[in-house]
Amino acid sequence: GAVVSQHPSRVICKSGTSVKIECRSLDFQATTMFWYRQFPKQSLMLMATSNEGSKATYEQGVEKDKFLINHASLTLSTLTVTSAHPEDSSFYICSARGTGGYNEQFFGPGTRLTVL
Amino acid sequence: LAKTTQPISMDSYEGQEVNITCSHNNIATNDYITWYQQFPSQGPRFIIQGYKTKVTNEVASLFIPADRKSSTLSLPRVSLSDTAVYYCLKAAGNKLTFGGGTRVLVKP
Repeated sequence: GAVVSQHPSRVICKSGTSVKIECRSLDFQATTMFWYRQFPKQSLMLMATSNEGSKATYEQGVEKDKFLINHASLTLSTLTVTSAHPEDSSFYICSARGTGGYNEQFFGPGTRLTVL
Repeated sequence: LAKTTQPISMDSYEGQEVNITCSHNNIATNDYITWYQQFPSQGPRFIIQGYKTKVTNEVASLFIPADRKSSTLSLPRVSLSDTAVYYCLKAAGNKLTFGGGTRVLVKP
């Protein structure tokens, strides 16, 4: 199947700093990528839909100025958590929509963010 | 988008068949049923997808009755490595909406 990578796999930062997470589709082009957040023992929550060459679409309750998404190419989307605070500590997962199967999405391995 | 409903957890033993039923009463005509598996601290992994009747692949089978208001994921002869959370989703348009998932524990 298609491979999606994320970098970094884990990051620890101080409160107030910004953190960038990269999501790459390694062997296919993805016009649409998705960003999810998952807190411990909870399900994945969709944060935003990232479309190549256009602005991301954010889910209700997600601050677009805090979670900046850039989808500059068909294989790369980035999520920047600006001025991170401890409550932003979570597991961030991206996915990319494939070309086969109805709405099949391939997920990255996730990025564990810890804000001190 | 209404989420699906599935049991919170299930226990099983190695070599047994595990069946997880998911309820999706208000499924739309265009919705497909998709199941994902997630291990701790990893991204979800696609298992199987179907629209109606039965779909089988090398990993699992998916049974969807005619009214499509529920579906059952069947994992044959589970092993310890099948311990994970299993999510049932309705694939509506461009989005996947995750429900609570079923935490399956396979015991030796």
